[in-house]
Parts: sequence; structure tokens; C-alpha cells
Amino acid sequence: NAGVTQTPKFRILKIGQSMTLQCTQDMNHNYMYWYRQDPGMGLKLIYYSVGAGITDKGEVPNGYNVSRSTTEDFPLRLELAAPSQTSVYFCASSYSEEKLFFGSGTQLSVL
Amino acid sequence: AQTVTQSQPEMSVQEAETVTLSCTYDTSESDYYLFWYKQPPSRQMILVIRQEAYKQQNATENRFSVNFQKAAKSFSLKISDSQLGDAAMYFCAYRSALGTYKYIFGTGTRLKVLA
Repeated sequence: NAGVTQTPKFRILKIGQSMTLQCTQDMNHNYMYWYRQDPGMGLKLIYYSVGAGITDKGEVPNGYNVSRSTTEDFPLRLELAAPSQTSVYFCASSYSEEKLFFGSGTQLSVL
Repeated sequence: AQTVTQSQPEMSVQEAETVTLSCTYDTSESDYYLFWYKQPPSRQMILVIRQEAYKQQNATENRFSVNFQKAAKSFSLKISDSQLGDAAMYFCAYRSALGTYKYIFGTGTRLKVLA
């Protein structure tokens, strides 16, 4: 099993550009999450999904959008990138109240 | 809303010694799960230990153990016989057992292990 796969690992965007961070998992997990990690701020939840077709906002959803058309995929869309979105982004999944399985993260810089 | 607080931004420990990382949380729920995650410089998030709130017995995993005080809403991590490979960021996390499926993380504690 590959687990949770995130792409790309690194990306530099110009202000105002858009991009999609890809996330896929092969563990048939219902729950999927997007977090951002800023230095000294821990992990903040952006969006999460409890199953295909169901998504909900987390703590910091502004400037982002998600979709969950399949159990496996949970892409995160950044529209009109801003410097405040410079961060490390983690996708994660879980089966139930068990542990989160994390992807390897995406380092995004908006310049 | 639930919150998780880690009041120690950075801790240091001598190799082979014991260190305790603090975590407190705020919730009105009685059933939940608590976690400690380790993030080494590789950036990968690794589960260290998990505690179910309905269990009074403290969880242990080899050199890692927790002191779970439900009434005080405290969940500290003790690392015994510290090793150089334990140097990392450590995050405390909370997950409700009912309704919401969100994992809430603290701000982390950076642990340095001194040779």
C-alpha cells in the first residue's frame, strides 16, 4: 500500500495564481483532511470530508476549496494565491477514531 | 469548541534522561481520543501514542508513556531513556468520539536531545 500520496512536494506560486494540491489514499478510508502547518502555529484544519460527496469547513477555510468525488481523492484548490497561504500543507486520512495517516506534505511558497 | 494547548515551545533533555512534555485541552465532552504525534526533520508525522478517554489506564508504548488526568484535562507525554532520534517536534491532538470527526492539534513542542 502506498498510504496517503500528496503531490507536488514543493511549489512556488506568484500572487494571484491558482493551483490544486492533489491527495489520494489507497486504504479505503472514509475520512480525509487538509491541514496547513505554519511555524509555531501547529496544524490548522482547512477542510475535511467524511465520505465521497461530503465536505465541511475546518478552522481556516478562506481562500481554499475542496471536492470529494471519490473515496480515494481529496484535492485542495487554491484560488488567487496570497502570501498568507505560504505554508506546509498536509493531507491525512483515517478509518475511524484510529490514528491519522499523513501524506509527506507540500511546501508552498507564494511570492 | 475544543482547544489543545502545549505551553512549552521548546524542551531539552540529556541523552538517556527522562523528559515530560505537557498538553492540556478544553472540552465539554466525556468521550474522546488523545494522541501524541512526532514530527522529525523529515516532516513526516508519526503517531507516538494514543489514549481513549474512557480508559483510566495510561497508555504506554515502549519508552513512551502518558499521564492522563481526565478531570484536570491534562495529557502529558513522558519519554524515558531519551535517544538522539527522539529529537523532533511533538504535537498533542484531540478527537471527539461523537459527532465531529475533526482532529485538533496543539502548537507543538520542539524537543532537543543533548549528547
